[in-house]
Amino acid sequence: EPEVTQTPSHQVTQMGQEVILRCVPISNHLYFYWYRQILGQKVEFLVSFYNNEISEKSEIFDDQFSVERPDGSNFTLKIRSTKLEDSAMYFCASNFRGSNEQFFGPGTRLTVL
Amino acid sequence: KNEVEQSPQNLTAQEGEFITINCSYSVGISALHWLQQHPGGGIVSLFMLSSGKKKHGRLIATINIQEKHSSLHITASHPRDSAVYICAVCQGAQKLVFGQGTRLTINP
Repeated sequence: EPEVTQTPSHQVTQMGQEVILRCVPISNHLYFYWYRQILGQKVEFLVSFYNNEISEKSEIFDDQFSVERPDGSNFTLKIRSTKLEDSAMYFCASNFRGSNEQFFGPGTRLTVL
Repeated sequence: KNEVEQSPQNLTAQEGEFITINCSYSVGISALHWLQQHPGGGIVSLFMLSSGKKKHGRLIATINIQEKHSSLHITASHPRDSAVYICAVCQGAQKLVFGQGTRLTINP
């Protein structure tokens, strides 16, 4: 069964460093999302991406964040200068056109020291 | 802005009990998801529904659009059902708005 994959599973970084979180959505899916979950809190929407551009973003998704689909398979989230409060679980999700059902990746746990 | 509220926040039950988790939302939606999150953190989609009722094994999900309310039921609960269950709603645009989750513990 096709699935969304994410790498790495766990990333530890120093405050101020740049990180890139990678996702490989399901191959025929056209809509892509990033969500985050700070420990003990609810999952929050960050950004949605369709047709090579951002379709919606939340207030959390400020200038330090960017997303890219550099090739036909990867979907990346870049955090330019990490802060302690960026420590969270980051989930990628995807779905195909005409369906509301989103498929989630296993998540990347980001720890900023 | 859609607010999604779940109840209870925590639920402990004995193996075999019938479990109900509730979800209420404040604004009209296009679909509602029930998700399961295990201690490792991964999220698994259980159901997506926009009306009526769906059943998968021992899990049943219902939604009442007029009442803006959904329930997730687990019959003959088992310790392996222990997880956090999350309700999330989709409003027209594709993004999901999540509830805070219900932590379910089933004791043998």
